Amino acid sequence: DAGITQSPRHKVTETGTPVTLRCHQTENHRYMYWYRQDPGHGLRLIHYSYGVKDTDKGEVSDGYSVSRSKTEDFLLTLESATSSQTSVYFCAISESIISGQGGGYTFGSGTRLTVV
Amino acid sequence: ELKVEQNPLFLSMQEGKNYTIYCNYSTTSDRLYWYRQDPGKSLESLFVLLSNGAVKQEGRLMASLDTKARLSTLHITAAVHDLSATYFCAVVPMDSNYQLIWGAGTKLIIKP
Repeated sequence: DAGITQSPRHKVTETGTPVTLRCHQTENHRYMYWYRQDPGHGLRLIHYSYGVKDTDKGEVSDGYSVSRSKTEDFLLTLESATSSQTSVYFCAISESIISGQGGGYTFGSGTRLTVV
Repeated sequence: ELKVEQNPLFLSMQEGKNYTIYCNYSTTSDRLYWYRQDPGKSLESLFVLLSNGAVKQEGRLMASLDTKARLSTLHITAAVHDLSATYFCAVVPMDSNYQLIWGAGTKLIIKP
């Protein structure tokens, strides 16, 4: 695989509890992304990072926060989980979105989160 | 509003047939991606199309890009069962270098 791992792979949590998902890469890529995937919506960007401590919001960032203290780790935190955050979460990395090689994304295996 | 629309969203076809999936987008972009996702799995990059008129082919799949029409197509030739998957297109808007805007996906089922 491409050197990107997500943990945990599955999690069930209760409404109102905080949850942190981890994305770890060994590719030394600059850009990291968190997406959620829900039926009928494709992938929606939650937050992304363009460097250590450099992050920005995506289209569905409410209720989520992120941190990137090291190049290799990008954490997604659900501050107070709600049932609407039940989803499959994917982390992705890219070397450069504007590189001559195309800047394609490599995705992690996903985390299936259920909020009950 | 930025939109990427795929059609059809669901396609069931017989092995050996040809078909095309369409990806229309509403923003100016010269960079489009096609990904494949098997059930319960992650997304796998298929093609990156970087300019108007770009055409890429891999096996029975061929992708093309018309930036003036804001349209990409993914053509399947003589489909085989192993191509059953969900296919996503995604574009990078010209005013954003960081974000892909995704289509909802086309679920393709190929019957033996």
